[in-house]
Parts: sequence; C-alpha cells; structure tokens
Amino acid sequence: EIVLTQSPATLSLSPGERATLSCRASQSISSFLAWYQQKPGQPPRLLIYDASSRATGIPARFSGSGSGTDFTLTISSLEPEDFALYYCQQRSSWPRCSFGQGTKLEIK
Amino acid sequence: QVQLVESGGGVVQPGRSLRLSCAASGFIFRSYAINWVRQAPGKGLELVALISFDGSDKWYADSVKGRFTISRDNSKNTLFLHMNSLRPEDTAVYFCARDPFIYDSSGYSDYWGQGTLVTVSS
Repeated sequence: EIVLTQSPATLSLSPGERATLSCRASQSISSFLAWYQQKPGQPPRLLIYDASSRATGIPARFSGSGSGTDFTLTISSLEPEDFALYYCQQRSSWPRCSFGQGTKLEIK
Repeated sequence: QVQLVESGGGVVQPGRSLRLSCAASGFIFRSYAINWVRQAPGKGLELVALISFDGSDKWYADSVKGRFTISRDNSKNTLFLHMNSLRPEDTAVYFCARDPFIYDSSGYSDYWGQGTLVTVSS
C-alpha cells in the first residue's frame, strides 16, 4: 500500500502570501498525483492532476510540481477563498488510489 | 453543466442494508468511469469503489469488499452502491464522483456530488 504523508498538518499564512504544501509518497509514484481543495460542508474540488496539470477552471495561482516521491502544491498569492483543506491522491497503484491525510491552510 | 446528485443515505442499524443512488446529468454518462468516495466525520477521504464506463470492471477497497456492490444503469444515467452488513465504521458522507478521463479509469475525480450521509448506529 502506498502511503501519502502531507506536511505540514496546518499552515498559517496571510492573504497575499505564498503557500507551499508538501505530499510525500512511501514509494515512487512517477507523476501520478492529484491535489484537491475542500471547504467545510462541500465536496472536494480537483485542482491539479498528474502532478502539474491544472484542472478545468482552476486559477493560474495554483501550481503543482514534483515526481517520484516528493510533490508540492504552490499557491502563488493567497486569496481569502483559498483557506481550506487540501488533500493529495495518488493513482500509481490504481485502483488502490490512496489519499493523504490533508493539510489545513488557515488564516494567520 | 455537469451534475451528480446522491440520494439514499440515512440512519441504519448495524448489519442492515442500504442502497445509494447517484443521478448524473450534463455529460455523456456512459463514457466515464465513476467513483464512490467516502469521508467519515472529521476525517479524510477514502476511495471505496469504482466502476468503468461500461460497467465491465469494478473495484472495491478491502474495507468494503464482499459487502458493497457498485453498479450503473447507463440507460438511466444512474450509479448505485448497494451496501450490506453495515458497520459503525461505515458511517460517512458518501460522494459519487466522475473520473476526468473519457473511456478510462484513473481513480481521480473531477466532478463531485454534494454527498449523502450514512449513519450506522443502533
């Protein structure tokens, strides 16, 4: 089973700042990683798939990078609506597509 | 616009059964694989089942294998999740979600329903 570990668990930043979220896989997953954003009471929203491809309608301030075991989601300049929970998901071991435990991005 | 609407959740006693439905619209349902993803209260996400675009391939997480059955009716644009022998640990919001790749199954989900809450409790 591929385990995804996200860090930090909580990230406290201010609007306008740059956010860097990390996801580390227990073994190489090539570029088969997605990022989701979830707000309270809402379903997740796909942001990035296959490590660096932005999903439809996702603003350019969201970018993904990485390959192998280390991945990063970067939000270049935080908007108020970006404060939420973020999950990563791998599909390298499809259909056993595991999720990370999440990073909470909160307003400082 | 793409819409997925789940129904069928509720409170059920341990050991009983429940059937969830997911009504799809706004896209060619028969061309996309669909996933069921659940989220226990205050917890993370878990992919529990997926079905290929034509229903020929199905997969289940170990946590539900042998108890849950995924199916679809492409003539009615509807997905189902039959849940038997329910346990308290199955308590969660259940989301149906579309795979983003046509005629393929990646396990990713690009469009999600709002979810339906299943509570297993005596």
